[in-house]
Amino acid sequence: NAGVMQNPRHLVRRRGQEARLRCSPMKGHSHVYWYRQLPEEGLKFMVYLQKENIIDESGMPKERFSAEFPKEGPSILRIQQVVRGDSAAYFCASSPPILDRVSRNEQYFGPGTRLTVT
Amino acid sequence: AQRVTQPEKLLSVFKGAPVELKCNYSYSGSPELFWYVQYSRQRLQLLLRHISRESIKGFTADLNKGETSFHLKKPFAQEEDSAMYYCALSEGAYNTDKLIFGTGTRLQVFP
Repeated sequence: NAGVMQNPRHLVRRRGQEARLRCSPMKGHSHVYWYRQLPEEGLKFMVYLQKENIIDESGMPKERFSAEFPKEGPSILRIQQVVRGDSAAYFCASSPPILDRVSRNEQYFGPGTRLTVT
Repeated sequence: AQRVTQPEKLLSVFKGAPVELKCNYSYSGSPELFWYVQYSRQRLQLLLRHISRESIKGFTADLNKGETSFHLKKPFAQEEDSAMYYCALSEGAYNTDKLIFGTGTRLQVFP
């Protein structure tokens, strides 16, 4: 099992462009979480998705940010019209179906995508 | 609001010395607490969780509900313990599994 995959690992965008970050969960995992880490801060929850459903988006900025986890393919975090303040490391985590977990909350993290907005 | 506080950004010790990484939380319910570790150039990984009451790589952490703390301890630090350590809280609700992280403590273990 290759673990949670994220690509690209580094992404540079100019202000106003769109950024698309991809996350492929571990095999058999049906839950995906996105976190953002600003410089000198801890990871902050953004959104929690299951296949084709957004379960909790309480941490998502109200504008420009969206996330999806389609039936087929990776989860996508999309940031439209990026601004300098969006520069951060974006981490994806996945977990298995609830009944398959060793403990209730069990998240496996990807290596992250570092977004730089110039 | 739920919050996790790690007061130390950096903790430096010599090999063989005891280590305690502090973590305090604020949450009115019954949270689940975790310690995650990130070694250099590696991804974030779970170190231990309070419900398991386990010792991993010599580290232990006890949940103290009275003091709302979940400090990470190791009696004798090793150089390979040098890493970034994050304390995290889960609300334990079934409608969301989001983790709330502290800002992290960098542990440096000198030879």
